[in-house]
Amino acid sequence: SAVISQKPSRDICQRGTSLTIQCQVDSQVTMMFWYRQQPGQSLTLIATANQGSEATYESGFVIDKFPISRPNLTFSTLTVSNMSPEDSSIYLCSLTRDPQGETQYFGPGTRLLVL
Amino acid sequence: QKEVEQNSGPLSVPEGAIASLNCTYSDRVSQSFFWYRQYSGKSPELIMSIYSNGDKEDGRFTAQLNKASQYVSLLIRDSQPSDSATYLCAPSGSARQLTFGSGTQLTVLP
Repeated sequence: SAVISQKPSRDICQRGTSLTIQCQVDSQVTMMFWYRQQPGQSLTLIATANQGSEATYESGFVIDKFPISRPNLTFSTLTVSNMSPEDSSIYLCSLTRDPQGETQYFGPGTRLLVL
Repeated sequence: QKEVEQNSGPLSVPEGAIASLNCTYSDRVSQSFFWYRQYSGKSPELIMSIYSNGDKEDGRFTAQLNKASQYVSLLIRDSQPSDSATYLCAPSGSARQLTFGSGTQLTVLP
């Protein structure tokens, strides 16, 4: 498995503002993903971060709300835009190195509270 | 019907007992299956993967897969208090993405 770090680990934000979450991996990986885990819920995939191209978003998630960048094979960012209290959640990045993109390892997560 | 269903829990077992966690899935295309453990306040940790029908053992953990029944389970033998966590079942989908179940909260009582 890889060493995955996320910044910030937690934050408290005001409604209407935006927060950018960083995910850094210690070595090159094939695919990176962003998930949301709302309080008491399971994980929901937001998007697949594609290196050098636009992210692939899942149903219910849009680029204007969750812009994603992946400038290289070890780094990605997720921005939560124009936040509301409903965005309070844990945001997790994950990665895979296998060609099928199935065995995923998770970062420590970013705990976001929107007031 | 949910895509991935797990026994709702919470599940409590005494220390030393066998904990049985069950998962059914609806996508017949799923080929790979993963079990993650998530401690409270932590991120999910991969503990088992299984790809073929039958059993796969890794230490105290045994994963069982039956693709015809669209069923996958995780057995934890000699349960320890440190096994107390939420266990997430995650089959791969037709697009090879993982879909997570809602999780089963396990408590192992000393």
